[in-house]
Amino acid sequence: EADIYQTPRYLVIGTGKKITLECSQTMGHDKMYWYQQDPGMELHLIHYSYGVNSTEKGDLSSESTVSRIRTEHFPLTLESARPSHTSQYLCASSTGEWTEAFFGQGTRLTVV
Amino acid sequence: KNQVEQSPQSLIILEGKNCTLQCNYTVSPFSNLRWYKQDTGRGPVSLTIMTFSENTKSNGRYTATLDADTKQSSLHITASQLSDSASYICVVSDRGSTLGRLYFGRGTQLTVWP
Repeated sequence: EADIYQTPRYLVIGTGKKITLECSQTMGHDKMYWYQQDPGMELHLIHYSYGVNSTEKGDLSSESTVSRIRTEHFPLTLESARPSHTSQYLCASSTGEWTEAFFGQGTRLTVV
Repeated sequence: KNQVEQSPQSLIILEGKNCTLQCNYTVSPFSNLRWYKQDTGRGPVSLTIMTFSENTKSNGRYTATLDADTKQSSLHITASQLSDSASYICVVSDRGSTLGRLYFGRGTQLTVWP
């Protein structure tokens, strides 16, 4: 079982609130990713990181921001949540292109 | 444009039966292809990963095949069980960037009935 954890698993918040989704991995992986997935749809990359102090935006435009101050930690923040942010957010990590990408259990976010 | 197409979109089979899921991709340059199983509301879990030189890889009752010339892959599930009910996602990685970008199919939703 992969050692990558996301918290919270489920979150219901009001519009305009600031939230941070946590993602931690204990495998020492350099590369970490955030994906957004709507029901029945494919995963879309919204942020990725090559390592500490390295973050890039992904394919899907997102109003969220990320930080990578420590190798094991890759939090995602929404400054002002909106109903359009309702989705499942998946965090993943890997050591490189030839290796597995391990996924967390996901955070199901609902903004009301 | 790099794409991954999966078929069928959904599939219902009876417990104990076999089934085959298909994946076609246009990702280039190709690095590797992975099959993931995703239970509802959870993160994907890796079943197999294959590089360019590998044609077949098995993981228990799951057998994946890869034809890099035609850019097709299949996932064969033998003697299905109720716990196999899930979405099966084909993921292709390119080697055109240092990130090794992952391209996801939409998945095949498999339902196994008793």
